[in-house]
Amino acid sequence: DSGVTQTPKHLITATGQRVTLRCSPRSGDLSVYWYQQSLDQGLQFLIQYYNGEERAKGNILERFSAQQFPDLHSELNLSSLELGDSALYFCASSVGLAGGSEQYFGPGTRLTVT
Amino acid sequence: AQSVAQPEDQVNVAEGNPLTVKCTYSVSGNPYLFWYVQYPNRGLQFLLKYITGDNLVKGSYGFEAEFNKSQTSFHLKKPSALVSDSALYFCAVRDGASGGSYIPTFGRGTSLIVHP
Repeated sequence: DSGVTQTPKHLITATGQRVTLRCSPRSGDLSVYWYQQSLDQGLQFLIQYYNGEERAKGNILERFSAQQFPDLHSELNLSSLELGDSALYFCASSVGLAGGSEQYFGPGTRLTVT
Repeated sequence: AQSVAQPEDQVNVAEGNPLTVKCTYSVSGNPYLFWYVQYPNRGLQFLLKYITGDNLVKGSYGFEAEFNKSQTSFHLKKPSALVSDSALYFCAVRDGASGGSYIPTFGRGTSLIVHP
């Protein structure tokens, strides 16, 4: 158990809908990352927050947004869903912002868009 | 810019034999290198990392990795493979240069299959 929790584990929804994925980092970790994993694209970095502030953006679509709350949990919002958004979404956390901090990954949320 | 390559999509090895999963990287400064393992329907788990110091790094579950600066490689190794080692392995690199990215770049992953 990495100490990172994600809910829900599975999500099935229709095209055009909006969903929210939730992540709680390990105790003491200030940095939260969101990743999308699909068979054809591999592991894609979406966005990073550090202590409540956005610090880095990756290949995140404009239809997607995220935030980190004062208690350090984070939410990833996906809207106007398309079939291609079906994937595993992972949250990870680390102690620091840079340097040699390793990441701890949650179990993921499997999103299926029908 | 930073990049990482895992040249093999799949590695097959017999149980009890040594295994190697290859990783090469490119950075402008000093590299921070990581290995992660992903079992089916699970998140990635941290195995080991190289930041500085001894080129041979020991990690979880009997795995080790050797940092080779001249060959820009960080291959993952284990002396004796177990069937339970079968999983997807990811190498990641972060550029330690001033102004380098906070975000590690992950390889595409290598599927390790250990045959009984």
